[in-house]
Amino acid sequence: NAGVTQTPKFRVLKTGQSMTLLCAQDMNHEYMYWYRQDPGMGLRLIHYSVGEGTTAKGEVPDGYNVSRLKKQNFLLGLESAAPSQTSVYFCASSYGPVQYFGPGTRLTVT
Amino acid sequence: DQQVKQNSPSLSVQEGRISILNCDYTNSMFDYFLWYKKYPAEGPTFLISISSIKDKNEDGRFTVFLNKSAKHLSLHIVPSQPGDSAVYFCAASETGNQGGKLIFGQGTELSVKP
Repeated sequence: NAGVTQTPKFRVLKTGQSMTLLCAQDMNHEYMYWYRQDPGMGLRLIHYSVGEGTTAKGEVPDGYNVSRLKKQNFLLGLESAAPSQTSVYFCASSYGPVQYFGPGTRLTVT
Repeated sequence: DQQVKQNSPSLSVQEGRISILNCDYTNSMFDYFLWYKKYPAEGPTFLISISSIKDKNEDGRFTVFLNKSAKHLSLHIVPSQPGDSAVYFCAASETGNQGGKLIFGQGTELSVKP
């Protein structure tokens, strides 16, 4: 089992560009999540999904969109990147209270 | 409004001694608590958890204590080893809420010196 995988690992964007981060899990988990981690702020929930075809807003959803067309995949989109979106992004999945995380994507917006 | 707080950004201990990491929460609806460990350039990994019906849970060198009246939990690592050097996050959840959302603290960076 690969667990939770994320692509890409690193990305540099210019302000205004768009991109999609891909998360995939092979554990057949219903729930999936996108977090961002910033220094001194822990992990903050961006969006989450409780099943295929569903999405919901988390704590910091502005500037991001998500889609869950397949149970195993959860996509995070930035339509018009801003420097404030420079961060490390983590995807996670779960079937109970314990969430399992991917290795992260480091995004820099210049 | 920080519902889960880790007030110590860093902690340094000697190898073989006890490490105690602390976490406070404000939401009395939280009923499940977790600790995650994170190495640089990796994702957080689950370490240990505790339900609000317990006040202690132990797994090898790791023990989590929960004091519901004080809304405080702590992680004890005994004995500490250099490989324990990492950032530790506490997290809390209301198990009845849809989506199993976790609220994380800011993290405490533990350094275990040989």
